[in-house]
Amino acid sequence: AQSVTQLGSHVSVSEGALVLLRCNYSSSVPPYLFWYVQYPNQGLQLLLKYTTGATLVKGINGFEAEFKKSETSFHLTKPSAHMSDAAEYFCAVSDQGGGFKTIFGAGTRLFVKA
Amino acid sequence: DTAVSQTPKYLVTQMGNDKSIKCEQNLGHDTMYWYKQDSKKFLKIMFSYNNKELIINETVPNRFSPKSPDKAHLNLHINSLELGDSAVYFCATRGVTTGELFFGEGSRLTVL
Repeated sequence: AQSVTQLGSHVSVSEGALVLLRCNYSSSVPPYLFWYVQYPNQGLQLLLKYTTGATLVKGINGFEAEFKKSETSFHLTKPSAHMSDAAEYFCAVSDQGGGFKTIFGAGTRLFVKA
Repeated sequence: DTAVSQTPKYLVTQMGNDKSIKCEQNLGHDTMYWYKQDSKKFLKIMFSYNNKELIINETVPNRFSPKSPDKAHLNLHINSLELGDSAVYFCATRGVTTGELFFGEGSRLTVL
């Protein structure tokens, strides 16, 4: 079975500061890993994904994440926060075998202070 | 042209009523899902259909019945609504190669 743990239900940063949202996963098979963002009253949209190959993946809006198999982690970072980054962020896992089930973490709400 | 569209966006209804939510996609994907997002933002998978066949049913009460009339549509019917059914219900489709999900904007159900 797969699972995802996001450390910190709320993270607050100042505008211009580093954003770090933590995600650890559990999977008995090689995982596909995702970060999604949800703005208020909207659906989720993909920020970035890891499937195979390069372990550092870049996404939209300046975000990136690094897959670390030894640590079973997939933390999301952005060098400089912008007010528009304030949203809910979800880490998710599905299996590489074309598994149909995607499991989401509980989400981390990012606040950006002016 | 919205890729995954859900209707209605908002439903307010009384306990005991029956309601339906419709989902349509124009991405040509084979796999569609219903997810429930509760007030704490937790997302739980409910059902998945692959090419009109039910492949995931996650211990959802049988008051919830999905139906996929064709590959582009997945509907959710809920009987005898309860207060605990209040949530946002998201329809999603799955990209073939990488498993990326494409979400609709959600249908917020409020049961009074």
